[in-house]
Amino acid sequence: AQKITQTQPGMFVQEKEAVTLDCTYDTSDQSYGLFWYKQPSSGEMIFLIYQGSYDEQNATEGRYSLNFQKARKSANLVISASQLGDSAMYFCAMRERPNNNDMRFGAGTRLTVKP
Amino acid sequence: DAGVTQSPTHLIKTRGQQVTLRCSPKSGHDTVSWYQQALGQGPQFIFQYYEEEERQRGNFPDRFSGHQFPNYSSELNVNALLLGDSALYLCASSPPGRSYEQYFGPGTRLTVT
Repeated sequence: AQKITQTQPGMFVQEKEAVTLDCTYDTSDQSYGLFWYKQPSSGEMIFLIYQGSYDEQNATEGRYSLNFQKARKSANLVISASQLGDSAMYFCAMRERPNNNDMRFGAGTRLTVKP
Repeated sequence: DAGVTQSPTHLIKTRGQQVTLRCSPKSGHDTVSWYQQALGQGPQFIFQYYEEEERQRGNFPDRFSGHQFPNYSSELNVNALLLGDSALYLCASSPPGRSYEQYFGPGTRLTVT
């Protein structure tokens, strides 16, 4: 069964505007972690932000914030003030249970920032 | 401080051959995870190595094996290559006690013809 669903294969955003990338997940565990990674064309996966299932506040890291809605099982990434360098693939990932090292990734969303 | 490094960058092999990919973790990291990323898909977890042993394995056949050395570097071996093994192979390292915190290398692009 698909654990992570990213329904937007591609997204466009104007430079300096905000954009939301969608992610929904499926788990029966109470303890899990949600991650967002950026993958430029070079191939390296760059960690952006982390949200623990028990975290009461939404995670923020600079221009990145995670809109965590636990009841709806969604963990959308919000990028504010988009920059041309934000153009890349973005992956949502989940790690279930504290000792489970099997990180499950979604299929990704390709973000293109227009000048 | 060097990040995670992988070699080679690109590799072309023929179906049925064997391949070895290498990974050096970030300085101070002791855990190495390997992922396979097929074109247009997200990475899939192959296995994780800690203290020179395979700690956890994803849904991959025994043709995929690995090793971790005392200096924490790691190798991924794939035997009897299939066309479907063509992918980007990513290595990620983690600091002690924080295996959820993964720092990825640039990957090795394997093409099987």
